[in-house]
Amino acid sequence: DVKVTQSSRYLVKRTGEKVFLECVQDMDHENMFWYRQDPGLGLRLIYFSYDVKMKEKGDIPEGYSVSREKKERFSLILESASTNQTSMYLCASSLASYNSPLHFGNGTRLTVT
Amino acid sequence: AQRVTQPEKLLSVFKGAPVELKCNYSYSGSPELFWYVQYSRQRLQLLLRHISRESIKGFTADLNKGETSFHLKKPFAQEEDSAMYYCALSDPGAGSYQLTFGKGTKLSVIP
Repeated sequence: DVKVTQSSRYLVKRTGEKVFLECVQDMDHENMFWYRQDPGLGLRLIYFSYDVKMKEKGDIPEGYSVSREKKERFSLILESASTNQTSMYLCASSLASYNSPLHFGNGTRLTVT
Repeated sequence: AQRVTQPEKLLSVFKGAPVELKCNYSYSGSPELFWYVQYSRQRLQLLLRHISRESIKGFTADLNKGETSFHLKKPFAQEEDSAMYYCALSDPGAGSYQLTFGKGTKLSVIP
């Protein structure tokens, strides 16, 4: 069974801090994704990666960056956290196929005060 | 650009009643469509995909290209079906693996 693990379940940070959200998958998936989930807005794609060191912007990349140095690990970085980045962040992975399902982590609920 | 619309934020039905969660999409090619579900305090997971043409937990969904819809249906709702449901579309024509999600419908099954 595919396992996608996000390092923190809950995180509280102050405005202006640099924040790292880590995600690891154990099924050798090529694709990895970062979404944020907000009530009434659904899931919005921040960034995704289809290979090591490759990244593409999603719908809402502003204020975020990502890093994929190894195939199994995909990190989301908030360079200078702001209160409007308070949200649930979901990491996902999939095979490199258009009908391959996404496998999600449990999510990290980030609060920026 | 592709778009997925779920017109209902909240849908309440009585146990044993039929359920239909609506999903409409805008896309000019041949999309890949999915339904994902998130039960309380659980991770988001795949429920079904149109290419499989399968029934999962009694749910089915038919792709109607003429109406650009992919509604999720179940003849008799159960309390354990209460969850958040998301419709999603992938865009093979764009050469991208990203999924576009709808805003979700919260299904509440009343005992």
